[in-house]
Amino acid sequence: EAGVVQSPRYKIIEKKQPVAFWCNPISGHNTLYWYLQNLGQGPELLIRYENEEAVDDSQLPKDRFSAERLKGVDSTLKIQPAELGDSAVYLCASTKDGSSYNEQFFGPGTRLTVL
Amino acid sequence: DQQVKQNSPSLSVQEGRISILNCDYTNSMFDYFLWYKKYPAEGPTFLISISSIKDKNEDGRFTVFLNKSAKHLSLHIVPSQPGDSAVYFCAATPRAGGTSYGKLTFGQGTILTVHP
Repeated sequence: EAGVVQSPRYKIIEKKQPVAFWCNPISGHNTLYWYLQNLGQGPELLIRYENEEAVDDSQLPKDRFSAERLKGVDSTLKIQPAELGDSAVYLCASTKDGSSYNEQFFGPGTRLTVL
Repeated sequence: DQQVKQNSPSLSVQEGRISILNCDYTNSMFDYFLWYKKYPAEGPTFLISISSIKDKNEDGRFTVFLNKSAKHLSLHIVPSQPGDSAVYFCAATPRAGGTSYGKLTFGQGTILTVHP
């Protein structure tokens, strides 16, 4: 069974440029998460989807960040415009049912560097 | 505020010895706790978990202990192996009900190095 797929793995951009990250969760997993991981810190939740509905986006900086999961499968996270402080690893995770204590499976992440 | 804390940024252990990683939490609503392991350039992978109704859970070389009164949990690895060298994150999630159910709050991580 394929794991959580993320692309690109690495991205380097100039500040003020837009950037997008893509995630394809494990087949059959209804719940999808986007996390931000700064250097030396643990992952922090940005947004959680149950199918195509964003059920928790309280930590998403909505002035510059947006996300979508139109068909309830793969998802895109966008930053526009990027700032220097956005340099971090962006992790995607999925689980069968987010309303129970199911293990979250993580993708390898996208490492973003903003110059 | 840091609701889940791992106060030791790093730990170095000799192969065959016990590794003990510690984690403290402040939110009394947390009632399910997990440990994740992360290798460089990979995402975190689930290792072991424990519910607040238990004080110990064991899986092979890995045992997690929970002390609810102290709001403290620990991960014991016995015996430690060089392949265990990784970053270990503890995470916690609240009780059922509400939008926070299933939401993981992570600690900062502890880098474990096991020397041959």
